[in-house]
Amino acid sequence: DTEVTQTPKHLVMGMTNKKSLKCEQHMGHRAMYWYKQKAKKPPELMFVYSYEKLSINESVPSRFSPECPNSSLLNLHLHALQPEDSALYLCASSHPKGGVRGDTGTEAFFGQGTRLTVV
Amino acid sequence: SQQGEEDPQALSIQEGENATMNCSYKTSINNLQWYRQNSGRGLVHLILIRSNEREKHSGRLRVTLDTSKKSSSLLITASRAADTASYFCATDLTQGGSEKLVFGKGTKLTVNP
Repeated sequence: DTEVTQTPKHLVMGMTNKKSLKCEQHMGHRAMYWYKQKAKKPPELMFVYSYEKLSINESVPSRFSPECPNSSLLNLHLHALQPEDSALYLCASSHPKGGVRGDTGTEAFFGQGTRLTVV
Repeated sequence: SQQGEEDPQALSIQEGENATMNCSYKTSINNLQWYRQNSGRGLVHLILIRSNEREKHSGRLRVTLDTSKKSSSLLITASRAADTASYFCATDLTQGGSEKLVFGKGTKLTVNP
C-alpha cells in the first residue's frame, strides 16, 4: 500500500466553523507533513511531524492546529479561518532522517489533497 | 519560503519533442527531487538525485545535478500528451534535526498532440 489518503476531498466552511482535515498512511513512514498550495503556486510547508512529535512549524497562524495521534494518522484542526486560507491542503509522508533510509533521503508520498473554501 | 527557482515557468511543445526544465537553489541540500502535479491535485514523485550524484535516469526521464552551480535539470524525452502537467523541483533540507522538502515555483508543461 503506497497511498496517502486524505479526507474530505472538498470542504466549504464558514469563518466561525471548526473543522478537521484527516490524513492516513500505512507505509510505516514516521515523518508526516502538511503543505498548503494556492492556485498556480508551489506547495508551501506548514508542519512536519517526526516520530509523532512536531518538529517543524513554519510560523503557521494558530488557527491551524496539527495533531499526530499515532504513526499512521495526521490531522489538521481548523478554527476561525479567513477567506485567504482557501487553498489545497496536501498531506505527505516519508521515512524520516536517520530512519530506514539513513541520511540520504527518500521520496515523499502525497495525498490527493483537500480543497478548502472558506466563506 | 521557496528555495528553488525554475525556468521556464511555462513550456509548450509538440508530442515527440524533448522537454527540458531547469531548477536553481540557494543552500546546501541532502538531495533534490522532481515531482509532477496534474490539475492541482496530489504530487507524484518522479526521481530523486542525491547530492553526491551527477546524473540519474528513469525511463524517459533524465535528471542532472550540479552542486557547484546549485542547479538541476529535468529532461523528458519523446514527450506525450499525457506528460502535460506541472513539474516541481524540491530540495531536501535539514532544519533542527528534521527534514523538509522545499518546492520551487514549478514549470507548467503542455504537450500538444
